Formats: sequence, structure tokens, C-alpha cells
Amino acid sequence: EAGVTQSPTHLIKTRGQQVTLRCSPISGHTSVYWYQQALGLGLQFLLWYDEGEERNRGNFPPRFSGRQFPNYSSELNVNALELEDSALYLCASSPDQTSGLNEQFFGPGTRLTVL
Amino acid sequence: AQSVTQLDSHVSVSEGTPVLLRCNYSSSYSPSLFWYVQHPNKGLQLLLKYTSAATLVKGINGFEAEFKKSETSFHLTKPSAHMSDAAEYFCVVRGYSTLTFGKGTMLLVSP
Repeated sequence: EAGVTQSPTHLIKTRGQQVTLRCSPISGHTSVYWYQQALGLGLQFLLWYDEGEERNRGNFPPRFSGRQFPNYSSELNVNALELEDSALYLCASSPDQTSGLNEQFFGPGTRLTVL
Repeated sequence: AQSVTQLDSHVSVSEGTPVLLRCNYSSSYSPSLFWYVQHPNKGLQLLLKYTSAATLVKGINGFEAEFKKSETSFHLTKPSAHMSDAAEYFCVVRGYSTLTFGKGTMLLVSP
């Protein structure tokens, strides 16, 4: 069974640009979670999607947004990039919104560098 | 609100010696607690979870953790470290609709 996949693996952008990160959950999983892992800050919860709807949002500005498609894949968009957006962005999935609070399955992440 | 504090940012052990990674939590209700591991260039993997059953929880790869309510702790242990255990470990507490991660403890294992 294929795990959670993310693309691209690495990305370099300049300040002010926009970026889109992509995530494909494990087949059959309906919930997708996005986290930001910046150096020294641990994982910060960004967004949670389930069945195409945004269920919860972390303490991030509105320039962080996303969506979930009918096939349950998801995109994370970041507008007006700032230097402090440099981080590893992790996507996770779970079979449904309830089981996601017991175990989430993580992808390898997208490393974003903002210059 | 819930939070976790991992007391050590780095822990160094020799192969074959015991491992102790410390975690304290704060939660306004009976918590569910987890340990995840992240190997270099890989996603996080669930090691073990506590969900109000037995206070001593056994996980994968010989790891275990003990829930101590009086001490608000959930320390991760392993009797004998292996080189393959070198990774970053995250203590996690479940909230109403999210998981809150600690800042991580990097475990270094020397031969």
C-alpha cells in the first residue's frame, strides 16, 4: 500500500512569491492535515481537511490557505512568502476525522526555502 | 488548552545503554498522549499511544512509555539503544480536534 506522497520534495522561492504544495493521502483516507516544521519550533498545526471541507485551522495568517479535492488529495498555498516561511511542510492523512485523533500517517514533507 | 514540554532537545547514549526521553504534558481533561519518531528525510511514524487504558504502554521497536498523572509525565524509554534508534522523537497530546506536538528530542546513538 502506497503511503502519503508529497510534491515537490524541495522548493526554493524568493520573498513575495507564491507557492503551492501538493499531498496525496493513503488510498481510502478522507482526512488530510498540514503541518509546518520550522527549525527549533517543532510541528505547528496548519490546516485540517475532511471530506472536502476545512475542519480546523491553526494560528497562521490568511496567506496560508488550501483545499481538498474530490479524490481527497490536497493543496497548500502560501502567498506573499516571507523568510520565516522557510520550513519543512508535512502532510498527514487518516481514515476519517475521528481516527485522525489517534493516529496520523505522515508523508516525507516538502522542504521550502525562501530567499 | 493542552501543551507538551520535551525536557531535552538532545540526548546522547551509547549503543546498548538505556534510553530515556522526557515529556511533561498539560491538559484540561484526561489526555491522550503519543510518541512519534522522525528518521532523517522521512515522515513521522507513530511509536506508541496512551488512551486511558493501561498506564504502561508498549510500542514498536522495544520502546515503552509510562503515563504518570501525578507527575503529568509521559516519558519514553528503551532498555537498550540501537544505532537505528538515532532519530528525532516527538511527544504529542491530543486536543479536542487537533494534535499538539512538542518541539522534539534528537536522540544520538554512538557505537
